Amino acid sequence: KNQVEQSPQSLIILEGKNCTLQCNYTVSPFSNLRWYKQDTGRGPVSLTIMTFSENTKSNGRYTATLDADTKQSSLHITASQLSDSASYICVVSARITGGGNKLTFGTGTQLKVEL
Amino acid sequence: EPEVTQTPSHQVTQMGQEVILRCVPISNHLYFYWYRQILGQKVEFLVSFYNNEISEKSEIFDDQFSVERPDGSNFTLKIRSTKLEDSAMYFCASGVIGGKNTEAFFGQGTRLTVV
Repeated sequence: KNQVEQSPQSLIILEGKNCTLQCNYTVSPFSNLRWYKQDTGRGPVSLTIMTFSENTKSNGRYTATLDADTKQSSLHITASQLSDSASYICVVSARITGGGNKLTFGTGTQLKVEL
Repeated sequence: EPEVTQTPSHQVTQMGQEVILRCVPISNHLYFYWYRQILGQKVEFLVSFYNNEISEKSEIFDDQFSVERPDGSNFTLKIRSTKLEDSAMYFCASGVIGGKNTEAFFGQGTRLTVV
């Protein structure tokens, strides 16, 4: 069964500090791995998307890494801001035979940035 | 910037009633999805739709659920005979035609409350 596990479950950091979120997955057939940011009561917003051949991808203060051999990914946030407070969700995509992609979501890491 | 639009933002219905959740995907997208998120839980895949037919559905998507693209712009999720456990946020997503990097853009969700 396809699964995505994330750690930690929740995290509190001070504004300006860096943090790293972890993701482990067992999804087949692997298509790509995405990190989403979800504010409470809102839809997920894509931060990065990486294919099998990509090791790292950056989007501003967000840097994602992917180790396809160990099936692990991380999301590093630098110089955190109060607005970074949200749930960060690791999502792994499997190609659907009939077309499109089926996304398997992790449970997310709830990040809170404080003054 | 184009976005996926969902209506209503919040729907309250009595148990046993039928509800229709509506979505307007991004105009040039061809792949459409419904996901749901029960409060406090992770986002779960329901169904994917391409070329006017379901390409994949999860075990959650039983005979109680159906999807339709009635007029070439709207994409609807119908839930018949709603149950208390159907209460959740329902997210519509759409993606452009393309390879395994097909991105899925999410709407803001419809919060369904079954009472």
